[in-house]
Amino acid sequence: KAGVTQTPRYLIKTRGQQVTLSCSPISGHRSVSWYQQTPGQGLQFLFEYFSETQRNKGNFPGRFSGRQFSNSRSEMNVSTLELGDSALYLCASSLGLAGGKDVETQYFGPGTRLLVL
Amino acid sequence: SQQGEEDPQALSIQEGENATMNCSYKTSINNLQWYRQNSGRGLVHLILIRSNEREKHSGRLRVTLDTSKKSSSLLITASRAADTASYFCASKAAGNKLTFGGGTRVLVKP
Repeated sequence: KAGVTQTPRYLIKTRGQQVTLSCSPISGHRSVSWYQQTPGQGLQFLFEYFSETQRNKGNFPGRFSGRQFSNSRSEMNVSTLELGDSALYLCASSLGLAGGKDVETQYFGPGTRLLVL
Repeated sequence: SQQGEEDPQALSIQEGENATMNCSYKTSINNLQWYRQNSGRGLVHLILIRSNEREKHSGRLRVTLDTSKKSSSLLITASRAADTASYFCASKAAGNKLTFGGGTRVLVKP
């Protein structure tokens, strides 16, 4: 079974621009979560989507948004980029349903490394 | 901060030795998970321990959980150079939000 894929893998943007990152979950997984990883703040939860609805949200400004499509693929968007948005953005997928031996295990993609200049 | 704490922040050992790292978290949890990350790449799930479990084994990994102290430990036995990575604990309460610790960087010297 193919793992979680993220595109693009690397991205360079300038301040003020916007960016869209994509995540394709493992086949059959309906939950996609996004995390930001920086040296200073570590791994922080952005949001989770399940069946095209945002189910959980972290403490990030409204510049960070996301969506999920009917095939469970997810995108996250960051508008008006700031230097501090430079980070590794990780998405993780899981079944998202109650029951099942690994329902609560999240499988991570390789990440998108974003550099804001 | 929403993060838990992990200690030590870094660990250097010889191949064949055991590596132990600890994690503390702040709120009641549903389960706690450990992940490995190699050089800023994706996270690899290692082991999950539920809140009603006290100890779990998987190969060379042993995880303990003390919910009264809100702490967990990960032991890697007979370490190998390939175990060199950063290790993160992640606590899970309701929903699918994982709250990660700051991580422990482990260097296994051949």
